Amino acid sequence: GENVEQHPSTLSVQEGDSAVIKCTYSDSASNYFPWYKQELGKRPQLIIDIRSNVGEKKDQRIAVTLNKTAKHFSLHITETQPEDSAVYFCAASIRSFGTYKYIFGTGTRLKVLA
Amino acid sequence: DAGITQSPRHKVTETGTPVTLRCHQTENHRYMYWYRQDPGHGLRLIHYSYGVKDTDKGEVSDGYSVSRSKTEDFLLTLESATSSQTSVYFCAISESFLSGQATTDTQYFGPGTRLTVL
Repeated sequence: GENVEQHPSTLSVQEGDSAVIKCTYSDSASNYFPWYKQELGKRPQLIIDIRSNVGEKKDQRIAVTLNKTAKHFSLHITETQPEDSAVYFCAASIRSFGTYKYIFGTGTRLKVLA
Repeated sequence: DAGITQSPRHKVTETGTPVTLRCHQTENHRYMYWYRQDPGHGLRLIHYSYGVKDTDKGEVSDGYSVSRSKTEDFLLTLESATSSQTSVYFCAISESFLSGQATTDTQYFGPGTRLTVL
């Protein structure tokens, strides 16, 4: 079945450094790739997304890249800050009954060390 | 945050008892989803709805049923709760629509329900 692998499961960086989280998806029909940030005890919040017709998208310190051929997409956070500490989830969408079902990765716990 | 509420927010119950979780939205979105979140598994889809009375199974639907009699409410029922159903349950909503040549379908999550089955 459809699968999304996410790496690493934990990531520690020094404040100000960059962080990269990588995901691989299995279904070549996937065409929408959102990233969610989840702080402890809170709901997942969308931080950035990308569609399959775009190779890269940036929003301030956050960027996402997509390689459709390799079925890889990555989240890049530059100039990390302590408030970036959270669990990050990637997802790949699969169309079903006029909507999209998401398959989520297992999450990356990012710790930004002051 | 999108207008999504979940009730109850916390529940402790015993094995074998029925449990119903409610998701309520004020966005008039067509699509609603139930996920469970467990350590090491991320978010896994239980059931989803693509309209009133229209539902389908997700990847972990065994032991769960859903109902949607109104656009704004999506109920998740555990007919006979088991300890393996101890989890945090999230509801999500979305609205598919065309924008130019792209279809957008961002999902927005509710605050979650922490369920403990003893």
